[in-house]
Amino acid sequence: AQKVTQAQTEISVVEKEDVTLDCVYETRDTTYYLFWYKQPPSGELVFLIRRNSFDEQNEISGRYSWNFQKSTSSFNFTITASQVVDSAVYFCALTIGDYKLSFGAGTTVTVRA
Amino acid sequence: NAGVTQTPKFQVLKTGQSMTLQCAQDMNHEYMSWYRQDPGMGLRLIHYSVGAGITDQGEVPNGYNVSRSTTEDFPLRLLSAAPSQTSVYFCASSLQETGELFFGEGSRLTVL
Repeated sequence: AQKVTQAQTEISVVEKEDVTLDCVYETRDTTYYLFWYKQPPSGELVFLIRRNSFDEQNEISGRYSWNFQKSTSSFNFTITASQVVDSAVYFCALTIGDYKLSFGAGTTVTVRA
Repeated sequence: NAGVTQTPKFQVLKTGQSMTLQCAQDMNHEYMSWYRQDPGMGLRLIHYSVGAGITDQGEVPNGYNVSRSTTEDFPLRLLSAAPSQTSVYFCASSLQETGELFFGEGSRLTVL
């Protein structure tokens, strides 16, 4: 069975601070896919990124960046120069391609002005 | 392009009542699924479907039924609601089993 752990329940930062969200996963499969989703206060779920297990390159998209390390089974997410609009719940998720996505419990990020 | 549409957005039920959460997608996605979101537990898979006529159980299927008669629709039925089914429910669809999930806006269900 797959498992995703987001140990940080809540993170509070002041605007312009950087914030890193940790995600640790467990799977016995060598092929898998990792995701990050954002859930703003309005409640919808917004896809941020998908990464397969064979691509360990870090990725940057604007103020967002992701660090994938197979050696530590981690797929961490960093928001640089945070803004109030980044306040949301962020979910890390994993699938081995069996139509089932396993989500972490989520990390609530609050960015204060 | 509406994407994934869920109805109703809010519902209050009494214990023992039945209801159906509707889900429709217009992206011609073969894969559809239902998740429930509870505080501190993330999203958990209830049921999923890989195409019309094909459904399977997820992590927490008890108390829920599904059917998939068309590619577009994937309703979730609660036959006898229980307070433990109080949750926010999300329907999702995807083009493939490893791809991005497109979620509906969610349905908040309260069972008294």
